Amino acid sequence: DAMVIQNPRYQVTQFGKPVTLSCSQTLNHNVMYWYQQKSSQAPKLLFHYYDKDFNNEADTPDNFQSRRPNTSFCFLDIRSPGLGDAAMYLCATSIDSDYEQYFGPGTRLTVT
Amino acid sequence: RKEVEQDPGPFNVPEGATVAFNCTYSNSASQSFFWYRQDCRKEPKLLMSVYSSGNEDGRFTAQLNRASQYISLLIRDSKLSDSATYLCVVGVGNAGKSTFGDGTTLTVKP
Repeated sequence: DAMVIQNPRYQVTQFGKPVTLSCSQTLNHNVMYWYQQKSSQAPKLLFHYYDKDFNNEADTPDNFQSRRPNTSFCFLDIRSPGLGDAAMYLCATSIDSDYEQYFGPGTRLTVT
Repeated sequence: RKEVEQDPGPFNVPEGATVAFNCTYSNSASQSFFWYRQDCRKEPKLLMSVYSSGNEDGRFTAQLNRASQYISLLIRDSKLSDSATYLCVVGVGNAGKSTFGDGTTLTVKP
């Protein structure tokens, strides 16, 4: 089945230790998104790629970076995780802008 | 004012009840509208796209009111399995960005 896959599902990192979360898709969608979701809050868009074009949200901290080496993969790098970065990180794809998004199962990040 | 606003609830209803959620949006240029369902500690999943003419999928009906800038979701004959958080999502043209509401929590009780 075509899908959005995120690895790992659970990630524990130490304060200040860089961490990378990965997302892959078999849907061949043009757009890939990264969201941060904290408990009882809406998903917050960090950035998205339209093909290779990177679009950063104005309020996304510089601590968060992303790479999309090809259509199928997208990575979220957190350079120096703080305690406030503990959250669920959701990857999503859509065939084009403004179309429905398909989410991966998320990576739950814990910062110790 | 938030771009997309939902009544957070919680809505607690008995099985078989009809329940409706509203979602208002502030940007009159918004072009795409969706309802997602999110279960506890799971990812959001698309429930319905919302079309100008309104659309229905089984027990679920979605409507769009552009003049008043809101969308609605009606759930008829509620089931226990409908218990979840319902997220309203609004997109603005070619910006590629969709804005999520904070969600409305529904609990259906026996």
